[in-house]
Amino acid sequence: SYVLTQPPSVSVAPGQAARVTCEGDRIEGKSVHWYQQKPGQAPVMVVYDDSERPSGIPERYSGSNSGDTATLTISRVEAGDEADYYCQVWDSTSDPSYVFGTGTKVSVL
Amino acid sequence: QVHLVQSGAEVKKPGASVKVSCKTSGFVFSNYYMHWVRQAPGQGLEWMGIINPSGNSPVYTQKFQGRITMTKNMSTSTVFLELTSLRSDDTAIYYCARRDRAAADPFDIWGQGTMVTVSS
Repeated sequence: SYVLTQPPSVSVAPGQAARVTCEGDRIEGKSVHWYQQKPGQAPVMVVYDDSERPSGIPERYSGSNSGDTATLTISRVEAGDEADYYCQVWDSTSDPSYVFGTGTKVSVL
Repeated sequence: QVHLVQSGAEVKKPGASVKVSCKTSGFVFSNYYMHWVRQAPGQGLEWMGIINPSGNSPVYTQKFQGRITMTKNMSTSTVFLELTSLRSDDTAIYYCARRDRAAADPFDIWGQGTMVTVSS
C-alpha cells in the first residue's frame, strides 16, 4: 500500500509560518489534498489539488508538491489555526486506494 | 447549502452489527460519490470504502471485505454504512464524505461523524 508520512507535531509562534510536510514515493505525480481537524470536529478541506484553496479558506493557507514531498504552509499563524492536519492522495494501484497521511498536530506557542 | 447529517451515536456488543446513515441535502445526490472514513480514539483517519453515484457499485478496502456494506437510498438522498461482526477495535467515529466525479477529487464535504462504541 501507498504510505504518506507526516511529522507528528509542529510548533510555531503566532505570526510566523508553519510548514507541514507529507512524504510519499513520487508524490509529485499525484494530487494532494489537505484537511484540518479541530478537537471534536469533522475534518475540513483547506487545500486541494496540491495548491488550490476552497472558498472560505484564508489566503494564509497554501500548498506545494515536488519530488517526494508535499507541503502545507500556514502563513501568519493565529491561535485558531491550532489543529491536526492530514494530507491525502488517491493511488489506483494501492489498497486502500484513498490514503491519508499520519497526521500532524500544529501547536501555536 | 450542502449538508451531510449523520445518525446518532451507537453502542453495540461484540459480534453485533451497526448501520450508520448519512442524509444529504443541497446538491444533486445522484451526481456524487460518497466515501466512508473512520477514526479510532486518538488515531488518524482510515478510509473504508466508496459508493458510486447510482449506488450499484461500491468499492471496499480489503481490510473490511466481508463485513462491510454501503448502500444508497436515492429517494431520500441518504447513504448507509453497515458493519457486521463488530469487535472492540471497531470503536471509532465514522464519517461520510462527498467526492465529485474524478477519482482523484478531494473529500470536499464531510458529515459531522457518528460515534460507534463496541463494548461488552
